[in-house]
Amino acid sequence: AQKVTQAQTEISVVEKEDVTLDCVYETRDTTYYLFWYKQPPSGELVFLIRRNSFDEQNEISGRYSWNFQKSTSSFNFTITASQVVDSAVYFCALSSNQAGTALIFGKGTTLSVSS
Amino acid sequence: GAGVSQSPRYKVAKRGQDVALRCDPISGHVSLFWYQQALGQGPEFLTYFQNEAQLDKSGLPSDRFFAERPEGSVSTLKIQRTQQEDSAVYLCASSSSRAPSSYNEQFFGPGTRLTVL
Repeated sequence: AQKVTQAQTEISVVEKEDVTLDCVYETRDTTYYLFWYKQPPSGELVFLIRRNSFDEQNEISGRYSWNFQKSTSSFNFTITASQVVDSAVYFCALSSNQAGTALIFGKGTTLSVSS
Repeated sequence: GAGVSQSPRYKVAKRGQDVALRCDPISGHVSLFWYQQALGQGPEFLTYFQNEAQLDKSGLPSDRFFAERPEGSVSTLKIQRTQQEDSAVYLCASSSSRAPSSYNEQFFGPGTRLTVL
């Protein structure tokens, strides 16, 4: 079965705090892709990153960083020095052969950053 | 260039009415996806088009849901005899990839929020 679990439903932090959003996935495929999307109040999902199953290098993009660990089937997302504009719902998603054309999303984590 | 657009942004329907939701993908994008997002949930796949061909409709919840993309650009999702459980945000996404999978980045529209009374 293809599944994405985001155990944290809501997280609240104060500006400048670091925050990590957890993502655990399940798949029997050896080739798969993992994604993070941001959904601000406007509604449209904004692509943040894509990672394939053969590339376990961690990635940093500005204040964002991602930690991919196949051993624990996790693809966690860290925001450093959070800002109010980071407030949104964040989704982790999985794509694999078994999932076909479907992108499998987790239920999302709502991040609230207060000033 | 312009992103994915959807119309209407909000739709209120009485139970039993038919509705039509429109999606304008990014120009030139071959692949088009529809998702349903219930309140507090992640998007769930409904159907996939490659150009005008509907290659996957495994996610459509019932035969009341119908999607088309007759000229390979604009797509319409139609829901017949709407029920209260159809209330959700309907998201459209497009991708430049021709691959019949979701491996590549999808660009999402703002969604249509459907409320069935």
